[in-house]
Amino acid sequence: EVQLAESGGGLVQPGRSLRLSCAASGFTFDEYAMHWVRQAPGKGLEWVSGITWNSDSIAYADSVRGRFTISRDNAKNSLYLQMNSLRAEDTALYYCAKADEYQMRDYFDFWGQGTLVTVSS
Amino acid sequence: QSVLTQPPSASGTPGQRVTISCSGSSSNFGSHYVYWYQQLPGTAPKLLIYRNNQRPSGVPDRFSGSKSGTSASLAISGLRSDDEADYYCAAWDDSLSGYWVFGGGTKLTVL
Repeated sequence: EVQLAESGGGLVQPGRSLRLSCAASGFTFDEYAMHWVRQAPGKGLEWVSGITWNSDSIAYADSVRGRFTISRDNAKNSLYLQMNSLRAEDTALYYCAKADEYQMRDYFDFWGQGTLVTVSS
Repeated sequence: QSVLTQPPSASGTPGQRVTISCSGSSSNFGSHYVYWYQQLPGTAPKLLIYRNNQRPSGVPDRFSGSKSGTSASLAISGLRSDDEADYYCAAWDDSLSGYWVFGGGTKLTVL
């Protein structure tokens, strides 16, 4: 059974940093692209970033490019999101999502339960 | 403002058929598949339809998807109270260096 467990969320002041993690199990992690998708309170889904199976291709939404960095450690079956220079508008539930195959454009077939990030002074 | 356009709300009574539309553009729907996700209250999104009209195992055939040109729709027949949820369309977009786009979501109410 595919399982994705996000962690690392919390309350952080504007301008500070936070690192999210996603522990994956139940599938061969290094064969699939992975993504982060967020959902602000009461709002819709927004794709944040994606990474291919071997990290050779990475993409970001315009809203986070230059501030967030996605990475993965296939040996640890883990996905990460380093978030710097956080803003109030980054407040959201951050979901880790598994892609159907190894490319960036392969769709999300499983989602974790999310970790909440609140940016406030 | 979402790249894909969905109506913010839809409603129906039990047993009815409802459709939810999603409008895109040539850079997304024009050359890529559309996907639909269901988000029940307080839960993570779940894949409902993939590659325009395919259902993952476990999704009832009451749910169906279609795409024509730069428009897509999700149909739910035999509406049930537990279908009450938010529904999102999604697609890969070739603009810039490529990225995923979502619709703003449609809240389905079962009256």
